[in-house]
Amino acid sequence: LAKTTQPISMDSYEGQEVNITCSHNNIATNDYITWYQQFPSQGPRFIIQGYKTKVTNEVASLFIPADRKSSTLSLPRVSLSDTAVYYCLVGDQNNFNKFYFGSGTKLNVKP
Amino acid sequence: ETGVTQTPRHLVMGMTNKKSLKCEQHLGHNAMYWYKQSAKKPLELMFVYNFKEQTENNSVPSRFSPECPNSSHLFLHLHTLQPEDSALYLCASSQASSTGVYGYTFGSGTRLTVV
Repeated sequence: LAKTTQPISMDSYEGQEVNITCSHNNIATNDYITWYQQFPSQGPRFIIQGYKTKVTNEVASLFIPADRKSSTLSLPRVSLSDTAVYYCLVGDQNNFNKFYFGSGTKLNVKP
Repeated sequence: ETGVTQTPRHLVMGMTNKKSLKCEQHLGHNAMYWYKQSAKKPLELMFVYNFKEQTENNSVPSRFSPECPNSSHLFLHLHTLQPEDSALYLCASSQASSTGVYGYTFGSGTRLTVV
């Protein structure tokens, strides 16, 4: 299973763009990259998923370089409500049930 | 409403009690999961059910017993727990297919305290 490494915490201010990078050097050919957001005492919430290049939805963008050994979650113009823990997961498509969570990145958005 | 409902939201139980956690998903998904989240620890995958069949048991102690009667319901039966089992227990579901899993949907969890 590919292990992921993220910064433990990040600080930002309202209105700024935040980029959180995840390293996954041992990513396998069939692995997808998925990001989740978790608020205290709640279950994680799916944000975005990608395989390569760039994926964008209404809340975030995911940038994946050609070697796929890392990925960057980009949150445009964060607000105080974006303060949460963000998890990067790498999962085997053929063993698709095995998604393991790492320690995540605690994002603190300040006014 | 996330589509995955967990009950109860909070549970306090003694070490000799037997209780059950319930999870129900209304999303038509075919895979369901139990995760444990202890304070300051990553989420730990406990059990995986795919098409009602248990496909994963991550060395979970036998005092935790899962049950999946159908693809919409998942239970976690608890007995003779220890205080270190106190945690947030999260249920999730997903639609697994040959082309991958398109993300989990989690419930809000059950906050369990063992006294």
